[in-house]
Amino acid sequence: QKEVEQNSGPLSVPEGAIASLNCTYSDRVSQSFFWYRQYSGKSPELIMSIYSNGDKEDGRFTAQLNKASQYVSLLIRDSQPSDSATYLCAVTGGSTLGRLYFGRGTQLTVWP
Amino acid sequence: DVKVTQSSRYLVKRTGEKVFLECVQDMDHENMFWYRQDPGLGLRLIYFSYDVKMKEKGDIPEGYSVSREKKERFSLILESASTNQTSMYLCASSRNPEAFFGQGTRLTVV
Repeated sequence: QKEVEQNSGPLSVPEGAIASLNCTYSDRVSQSFFWYRQYSGKSPELIMSIYSNGDKEDGRFTAQLNKASQYVSLLIRDSQPSDSATYLCAVTGGSTLGRLYFGRGTQLTVWP
Repeated sequence: DVKVTQSSRYLVKRTGEKVFLECVQDMDHENMFWYRQDPGLGLRLIYFSYDVKMKEKGDIPEGYSVSREKKERFSLILESASTNQTSMYLCASSRNPEAFFGQGTRLTVV
């Protein structure tokens, strides 16, 4: 069973702060990594994809990948109350066709 | 934009009923998935399909079956609904590797 672990949270940060979400995975052959945002009662929405080591920035979001450490993170700069949601980390398995393995999510609250 | 549409947003069924959950995607994706999501347990994969008429069991297939007769449509079938199948059901499709979800079906079995 491929494991994806996230910091369990909940995480609470003030508006304007940096929120840091972390994820580790067990399968060394994983090639693709994703962050999904899920608002309460809604379905997950893909917000970031990262495939190679290093940082990838998209607006206020930065994904970081370190395959040697089997670690992927999401930084949210200038956090807003609208960022309050559960964030799911997902990774692909090395051999299984297109299947994603999800962590259980980290609940983030940004307070004004 | 990718569109994945699930047939119902909310559904209430009685114990023992046969239940069909439908999912349609409009992006010609090869892969389609059915998950259920429960508090504290995260997303759990029930079944997935990587081609028409092809299916693979996920982690919790017991009590469920699936059908994929056309590329755009993937159906989840609860053969005899039970109360422990009350959950949020999420369909997703992908063109390997990015996956996109439908809006979810909250199923209550009474």
